[in-house]
Amino acid sequence: DQQVKQNSPSLSVQEGRISILNCDYTNSMFDYFLWYKKYPAEGPTFLISISSIKDKNEDGRFTVFLNKSAKHLSLHIVPSQPGDSAVYFCAARYNTNAGKSTFGDGTTLTVKP
Amino acid sequence: DTEVTQTPKHLVMGMTNKKSLKCEQHMGHRAMYWYKQKAKKPPELMFVYSYEKLSINESVPSRFSPECPNSSLLNLHLHALQPEDSALYLCASSYGTARGSGNTIYFGEGSWLTVV
Repeated sequence: DQQVKQNSPSLSVQEGRISILNCDYTNSMFDYFLWYKKYPAEGPTFLISISSIKDKNEDGRFTVFLNKSAKHLSLHIVPSQPGDSAVYFCAARYNTNAGKSTFGDGTTLTVKP
Repeated sequence: DTEVTQTPKHLVMGMTNKKSLKCEQHMGHRAMYWYKQKAKKPPELMFVYSYEKLSINESVPSRFSPECPNSSLLNLHLHALQPEDSALYLCASSYGTARGSGNTIYFGEGSWLTVV
């Protein structure tokens, strides 16, 4: 049973437009959510996170929205840039150990110039 | 500075070889992790060290042996691996292991392991 799902394996967006990456989860015990970005041949890089007590967190061009009732979160990138092209992983955790995050399968974002 | 450095970046080893992967961080983090990642799959947790003690072993086969010599270093010793163990091995660290928002995990670039 996959507890964190990213249903879109890929997304293609024009430069300057908004990119919206979606993530759904099933475990209502999750209370902290993260987005990681991964370039080929590199490890994931932490991007932005949100606690379950909030519904929005913003950092520059990146905003994460959390809808607890729908068990859904999304990452908005505005404006999208070609350098944003990467695989984006959604992760969620509730365990007492920060390392036991559950990751989604990732969404490959391609931003076209 | 949020840097976790891993060596080597690439490793090819035979099934009878003994090799090690190394990881280092100087952020004062007290928790360090090993993950395994296959192509097009999310990272899978293998081991967690907290204050230099092994706190979690996710039922990893004994051919993988972690070691934490000090709070900045984490090794993964490899012996008698199988071809299916070929993957990207990621080291990560965080300030602590509690689930507070300050304990974000920072990953290294990974070591690509090929077992032949």
